[in-house]
Amino acid sequence: DAGVIQSPRHEVTEMGQEVTLRCKPISGHDYLFWYRQTMMRGLELLIYFNNNVPIDDSGMPEDRFSAKMPNASFSTLKIQPSEPRDSAVYFCASSPHPKVQPQHFGDGTRLSIL
Amino acid sequence: KNEVEQSPQNLTAQEGEFITINCSYSVGISALHWLQQHPGGGIVSLFMLSSGKKKHGRLIATINIQEKHSSLHITASHPRDSAVYICAWQIQGAQKLVFGQGTRLTINP
Repeated sequence: DAGVIQSPRHEVTEMGQEVTLRCKPISGHDYLFWYRQTMMRGLELLIYFNNNVPIDDSGMPEDRFSAKMPNASFSTLKIQPSEPRDSAVYFCASSPHPKVQPQHFGDGTRLSIL
Repeated sequence: KNEVEQSPQNLTAQEGEFITINCSYSVGISALHWLQQHPGGGIVSLFMLSSGKKKHGRLIATINIQEKHSSLHITASHPRDSAVYICAWQIQGAQKLVFGQGTRLTINP
């Protein structure tokens, strides 16, 4: 199994630009999670989906952030416009059933907003 | 307020030592997770447990539901165990995780 695949691995862009992060979950996993990791706040849940439907987006910082899951094999996290404080590592994770099985994490996207 | 407290924040030990990392939480949980993050950033799930003890190789995880406390032990530690270890709890009835701040472990040869 290929595992959770995230792209790009690194992104450097200027403030104000639109940023799109991508995630392909493990086939058959019905749950997909987006996390953000910073030195100050550690790992935080941004949003998660079940069967492509957003279930809890209470961690999304503000309207500049949006996430979609158009099908079972693809999700995006978009930031528009980006700001320097958005610089972080963004992880995607998937699980077949989080209550009884662990989450599988992608390698993350390291985002730097200049 | 972080509802998951890990200790210590940093730990340095010599190869071969027995390592213990602690995690305390304040609410009812359905499961507690231990994760490992190596330099370079990848996160791996080590354990998911809701009671008792689990063992995988040199790693052992225990949980005491009444005391709201979990420990991760590493026996015969090795430099390759150097990583950040993160505990996370899963609130009852929910799918999402709440994370501790992590323990940075360094094992010197």
